[in-house]
Amino acid sequence: SAVISQKPSRDICQRGTSLTIQCQVDSQVTMMFWYRQQPGQSLTLIATANQGSEATYESGFVIDKFPISRPNLTFSTLTVSNMSPEDSSIYLCSTRGGGGQQYFGPGTRLTVT
Amino acid sequence: TQLLEQSPQFLSIQEGENLTVYCNSSSVFSSLQWYRQEPGEGPVLLVTVVTGGEVKKLKRLTFQFGDARKDSSLHITAAQPGDTGLYLCAGAREYGNKLVFGAGTILRVKS
Repeated sequence: SAVISQKPSRDICQRGTSLTIQCQVDSQVTMMFWYRQQPGQSLTLIATANQGSEATYESGFVIDKFPISRPNLTFSTLTVSNMSPEDSSIYLCSTRGGGGQQYFGPGTRLTVT
Repeated sequence: TQLLEQSPQFLSIQEGENLTVYCNSSSVFSSLQWYRQEPGEGPVLLVTVVTGGEVKKLKRLTFQFGDARKDSSLHITAAQPGDTGLYLCAGAREYGNKLVFGAGTILRVKS
């Protein structure tokens, strides 16, 4: 299984500002994903971060709001831009192993005031 | 439309009781995964089932994949307070496809 770390673990931000979340994996992986989760609720996929090409966004999520970088096979960033209180959530990085199993980072808890 | 219907949404039981969480769909999945998540942490993979009718056991947890690969269940025997958490099922329609998550079941085991 992959070990995934995220930074920051939590942050409180003012509306209108942007926050970049970092995701580091301890091994090279092809597929990396970014999810959003309200506490106690299920996960919503934001986008798939592709190495060497633009991220693939799910319906309801756009690149201008959630730009993603994937400079190599072990690292990705997600930026939450021009934040509003509605963006308050837990953001999770995830990777997929060779057997199809998916692993998650510890999450970044974002509060927008 | 939720492709994976998970039930119940919330379960509060006494230590020692048994429980079952269900995950149902009208779609066929090539694999289905179960996760457990504690507050402040990411989901942790418990098991992956891939074969129709498959049963996997993990200590007091028993996972079953339906014969038609459209449904799955998680049964916990003699629940303990340490089992408390959010349980999530997630299915992949085809290998390599993105996961579809159920709505989650919040389990609270009281001592």
